[in-house]
Amino acid sequence: EPEVTQTPSHQVTQMGQEVILRCVPISNHLYFYWYRQILGQKVEFLVSFYNNEISEKSEIFDDQFSVERPDGSNFTLKIRSTKLEDSAMYFCASSRDAYGYTFGSGTRLTVV
Amino acid sequence: LAKTTQPISMDSYEGQEVNITCSHNNIATNDYITWYQQFPSQGPRFIIQGYKTKVTNEVASLFIPADRKSSTLSLPRVSLSDTAVYYCLVGTNGGSQGNLIFGKGTKLSVKP
Repeated sequence: EPEVTQTPSHQVTQMGQEVILRCVPISNHLYFYWYRQILGQKVEFLVSFYNNEISEKSEIFDDQFSVERPDGSNFTLKIRSTKLEDSAMYFCASSRDAYGYTFGSGTRLTVV
Repeated sequence: LAKTTQPISMDSYEGQEVNITCSHNNIATNDYITWYQQFPSQGPRFIIQGYKTKVTNEVASLFIPADRKSSTLSLPRVSLSDTAVYYCLVGTNGGSQGNLIFGKGTKLSVKP
């Protein structure tokens, strides 16, 4: 079964540092997403990406966040200057059609 | 996006059938109903999606009455490994038309 792969599985960073979370979506998918889940809370939408541009973003996705698809396979989420409240599980997802998204296993980001 | 309401938690025993009902009174004509499963520290996993009547796959069944204001996820003969949070989502799916709005879900605990 095709998978969405995320690396690293766990990242610890100091407050104020930049982090890049990486994702390899399923190869024939066209739509890509980032979600996050703070411990014990809901899964929250961050951003969707299609045709090499952001198609939708939430209020959480402020100027500190950016996404990029630098080549034909990777999809990255960058946080420029991390804050303590950015600590969360970050999930990448991709979809092809109406039959559901496929999520990755997530990156646990811990900001200290 | 239609708001959904589902029980916060449910308990069951191994081998039983579990039915989780979700109400979505404001569902729109072009909305689909999708269920996801999430284990701790993992990304949500697509279980099943439907528009009306009944849908069945190798994992679950989804029952949707004619008015589509509710839906029931049915898990036959649950096992301990079915202990997870189950989310009911309603909306258009995929692409630039929508992101997934997760509620708190139903925490299913399966006991031996």
